[in-house]
Amino acid sequence: DSGVTQTPKHLITATGQRVTLRCSPRSGDLSVYWYQQSLDQGLQFLIQYYNGEERAKGNILERFSAQQFPDLHSELNLSSLELGDSALYFCASSRTGGTVDTQYFGPGTRLTVL
Amino acid sequence: AQSVSQHNHHVILSEAASLELGCNYSYGGTVNLFWYVQYPGQHLQLLLKYFSGDPLVKGIKGFEAEFIKSKFSFNLRKPSVQWSDTAEYFCAVNARSGNTGKLIFGQGTTLQVKP
Repeated sequence: DSGVTQTPKHLITATGQRVTLRCSPRSGDLSVYWYQQSLDQGLQFLIQYYNGEERAKGNILERFSAQQFPDLHSELNLSSLELGDSALYFCASSRTGGTVDTQYFGPGTRLTVL
Repeated sequence: AQSVSQHNHHVILSEAASLELGCNYSYGGTVNLFWYVQYPGQHLQLLLKYFSGDPLVKGIKGFEAEFIKSKFSFNLRKPSVQWSDTAEYFCAVNARSGNTGKLIFGQGTTLQVKP
């Protein structure tokens, strides 16, 4: 158990819908990262937050957005869902969000878009 | 842009065989390097990491990796694999130049160890 929690574990929804994935970082970690794992794209970095502020952005679609709240949990919002958005979404956390940090990953949320 | 290449997509070994998984990265600056493992149905776990110093790093469960700067490589090794090493292995890099720990991952290598 890494100490990073993600809910829900599984999510099945239809095209065009909107979902919210939630992540709680390890105690004491200030930074949260979101990654998408799919068969064709592999593991891709989406976005990073540090203490409520966006720090880095990767290959995140405009239909996707995220935020980190004052209690440091983070939510990833996916809207106008398409079949290709079906993937495993991982959240990771680290102490400072800098380059010498180690990231600890959560169990992931498996999203299926039908 | 940074990229990571893992040459072996699927490796099948018998127990007690030696393992070497290749990882090459593309980036002109200084990097931090990682190997993560994902056991079936589980989350990613850190096996080992290299930030600086001795290029031969030892990780958990008997794994080690060697950073060869001239070859932009960070290959993972284990002298004798066990059935419980069956998992997917990911190499990842982080560029030291930016103020972010974001990781760029390779495509992953699926290791199947036959008992």
